[in-house]
Amino acid sequence: LAKTTQPISMDSYEGQEVNITCSHNNIATNDYITWYQQFPSQGPRFIIQGYKTKVTNEVASLFIPADRKSSTLSLPRVSLSDTAVYYCLVGNAGGTSYGKLTFGQGTILTVHP
Amino acid sequence: KAGVTQTPRYLIKTRGQQVTLSCSPISGHRSVSWYQQTPGQGLQFLFEYFSETQRNKGNFPGRFSGRQFSNSRSEMNVSTLELGDSALYLCASSLEQYNSPLHFGNGTRLTVT
Repeated sequence: LAKTTQPISMDSYEGQEVNITCSHNNIATNDYITWYQQFPSQGPRFIIQGYKTKVTNEVASLFIPADRKSSTLSLPRVSLSDTAVYYCLVGNAGGTSYGKLTFGQGTILTVHP
Repeated sequence: KAGVTQTPRYLIKTRGQQVTLSCSPISGHRSVSWYQQTPGQGLQFLFEYFSETQRNKGNFPGRFSGRQFSNSRSEMNVSTLELGDSALYLCASSLEQYNSPLHFGNGTRLTVT
């Protein structure tokens, strides 16, 4: 499974756009890039998933360059409730590795008033 | 659609005892996986079940075991509890698809004294 590197922590202010970048140099051809959000004492919550280029949903956008060795999660206009830990995962929960995901240390995002 | 349900939410046990945790996946999800989360080690994969069969296993001692029932509900058991087993135990379910993301419950907080 590909190893990922993310910033340990980030700070932002309400209303700003936040971009969290994840490096995954040894991503495999079959790997997808998935981001999860976790609040204290809760399970991780799926945010967005992509394979290449750009993916957008109602809460975030995911930018993946052509070489796929990095990805950027973009959170538009964050609020205090976006304060959480964000995990970037590379791999796939299917194939021979069903359910087996490797979580890195994650990025602690703190949004200030 | 109801999310992943884990019971109990909190549990306090004594060293040497055993414990059973329960997980009900999202309706239609047949893959159930378990993770242990601690401040020092982060999120670590325990095992994954599909159609009552264990398909993947993480690097945990044999004291950690699990099973899945015909209705996809799953249980995990930890025998001869140690202080280091204190953690948040998370269950996740997913569809049987190549890039299906995991959907996590809010976990069972186990404290071993």
